[in-house]
Amino acid sequence: ETGVTQTPRHLVMGMTNKKSLKCEQHLGHNAMYWYKQSAKKPLELMFVYNFKEQTENNSVPSRFSPECPNSSHLFLHLHTLQPEDSALYLCASSQERGARIGYTFGSGTRLTVV
Amino acid sequence: KQEVTQIPAALSVPEGENLVLNCSFTDSAIYNLQWFRQDPGKGLTSLLLIQSSQREQTSGRLNASLDKSSGRSTLYIAASQPGDSATYLCAVPSNTGKLIFGQGTTLQVKP
Repeated sequence: ETGVTQTPRHLVMGMTNKKSLKCEQHLGHNAMYWYKQSAKKPLELMFVYNFKEQTENNSVPSRFSPECPNSSHLFLHLHTLQPEDSALYLCASSQERGARIGYTFGSGTRLTVV
Repeated sequence: KQEVTQIPAALSVPEGENLVLNCSFTDSAIYNLQWFRQDPGKGLTSLLLIQSSQREQTSGRLNASLDKSSGRSTLYIAASQPGDSATYLCAVPSNTGKLIFGQGTTLQVKP
């Protein structure tokens, strides 16, 4: 375990479902991130939270809705997804935004939209 | 705009060989550079972090170097093993918190 825990590890959902991905870290980090990794593509940054405030939304469709209730928890709420949203969703954290001491990643949630 | 490139995209070597993975970046004003390992379908594991003031970092059989002026970093793996087979990613942070990744090098070490 890296210190960043993601649940669930795997998720299969229909296009009309609503589900949530959870990320938790107890490293004392203040910045948290959601990344999307599709097959054969580089990692894409989706959202950045710094001290619970969203500081970046990288043109992500509104069917993805992030929530950061505190510096230790980050959620990604999903609704009316498309099959092309199937991917590995990775959460990361760092001491601060633009971290000088590196990022820690979770193991990811493998999402399949059917 | 910072861009990160990794060469080669894929590499296959026999067990025991020493190898070098390359990473280049276009903007030398970086805080640090981080090397990650990713196994298929899994998350990223941090291998080495080199601060902008450092020239290299070592961890076991891994050695990463950084040459900011030329915009390059290398990851040296000594005495490769089949368990080293994975995708290796290098990344640099922007000052807005965005971690900019290369495309990765997929390594296969054959027994």
